[in-house]
Amino acid sequence: KAGVTQTPRYLIKTRGQQVTLSCSPISGHRSVSWYQQTPGQGLQFLFEYFSETQRNKGNFPGRFSGRQFSNSRSEMNVSTLELGDSALYLCASSFRGFAYEQYFGPGTRLTVT
Amino acid sequence: AQSVTQPDIHITVSEGASLELRCNYSYGATPYLFWYVQSPGQGLQLLLKYFSGDTLVQGIKGFEAEFKRSQSSFNLRKPSVHWSDAAEYFCAAGFQKLVFGTGTRLLVSP
Repeated sequence: KAGVTQTPRYLIKTRGQQVTLSCSPISGHRSVSWYQQTPGQGLQFLFEYFSETQRNKGNFPGRFSGRQFSNSRSEMNVSTLELGDSALYLCASSFRGFAYEQYFGPGTRLTVT
Repeated sequence: AQSVTQPDIHITVSEGASLELRCNYSYGATPYLFWYVQSPGQGLQLLLKYFSGDTLVQGIKGFEAEFKRSQSSFNLRKPSVHWSDAAEYFCAAGFQKLVFGTGTRLLVSP
């Protein structure tokens, strides 16, 4: 079974721009969660989507948004990028939610200059 | 506020020696508890999880963890460490969303 894939793997953007990251979950998984990992703040939960609906949300500003499509693929968008948005963005998929086993993708490394 | 604490930022263990990584949580009730491992440049891999029942949980790669309600702890153990275990280990907890600890970087010396 193919694992969780994230595209692109690396991205360099300029302050003020916007970016869209993509996550393809494992086939059959309906839950996709997004996390931000930085050296200073560690791993922080962004949001979870389940069957195209946002089910849970972390404490991030409205510049961070996401969506999920009918095939469970998910996208995360960050608008008006700030330097502090530089991070590794991890996506995790699960059959029903994080309480069931989550499988993480390799992440997208975003650098904001 | 709900939180997860991993008091050790770095731990160095000799290959073949035993390992214990500490994790404490602060929640009103016992949350779901997890240990994940992250190798350099990789995503996270689930080692084990605790929901309820037996307080000693077995995981993959020879790891186990013990849940102690009285101490609000969920420590990870391995009886004999291999060089390939060098990585960063994260404890996580939650009900509807995961809160991660800051991680413990394990170094394995020959």
